[in-house]
Amino acid sequence: GAGVSQTPSNKVTEKGKYVELRCDPISGHTALYWYRQSLGQGPEFLIYFQGTGAADDSGLPNDRFFAVRPEGSVSTLKIQRTERGDSAVYLCASSPSRITGELFFGEGSRLTVL
Amino acid sequence: AQKITQTQPGMFVQEKEAVTLDCTYDTSDPSYGLFWYKQPSSGEMIFLIYQGSYDQQNATEGRYSLNFQKARKSANLVISASQLGDSAMYFCAMRETGGSYIPTFGRGTSLIVHP
Repeated sequence: GAGVSQTPSNKVTEKGKYVELRCDPISGHTALYWYRQSLGQGPEFLIYFQGTGAADDSGLPNDRFFAVRPEGSVSTLKIQRTERGDSAVYLCASSPSRITGELFFGEGSRLTVL
Repeated sequence: AQKITQTQPGMFVQEKEAVTLDCTYDTSDPSYGLFWYKQPSSGEMIFLIYQGSYDQQNATEGRYSLNFQKARKSANLVISASQLGDSAMYFCAMRETGGSYIPTFGRGTSLIVHP
């Protein structure tokens, strides 16, 4: 497909478990962002990749959260020892232009921690 | 500190009427970009319109226009001739291009278009 693809669309897990969320950006987009959206809120920034490296990870809430983008395309957000407060929709976006910076979002991965 | 403020949690408009969604922002960076996104109930955020801080003209994209008032730090979205399919959450966002390049979002406004 031509858009940003995120898997899984829905993930239910138990407190304390490990979770991986995957994002496949639009081909050719070098910039990739992860956001988290809680109910009734706007997206909250987590981490930004330019190419393979994390250019800004200042939004990661703690060291249980980690993200990689080893080949500059697909990215994986990893959450260790999940907590109920991690429940949210995790949004991935890619951007074609560093000048204007409009984001193209995936449909999100809804994470529920029981 | 909140950089993007959307004071209208919910707005209602009659089909075919125009509606304005408010957004104010806070930055000391002279170079920045302003964005509006639409998020239908299906969940996918859709980019609508962009305004650069140095752009002289207000941005327009079809039925969407951005009423940019730089001195007031205001970037309101105007939707003309509302359609039922415009019912969604609308988010204003800003990116400071002199700094981190990270778009930050407001809390959003829910728009409901009545037939």
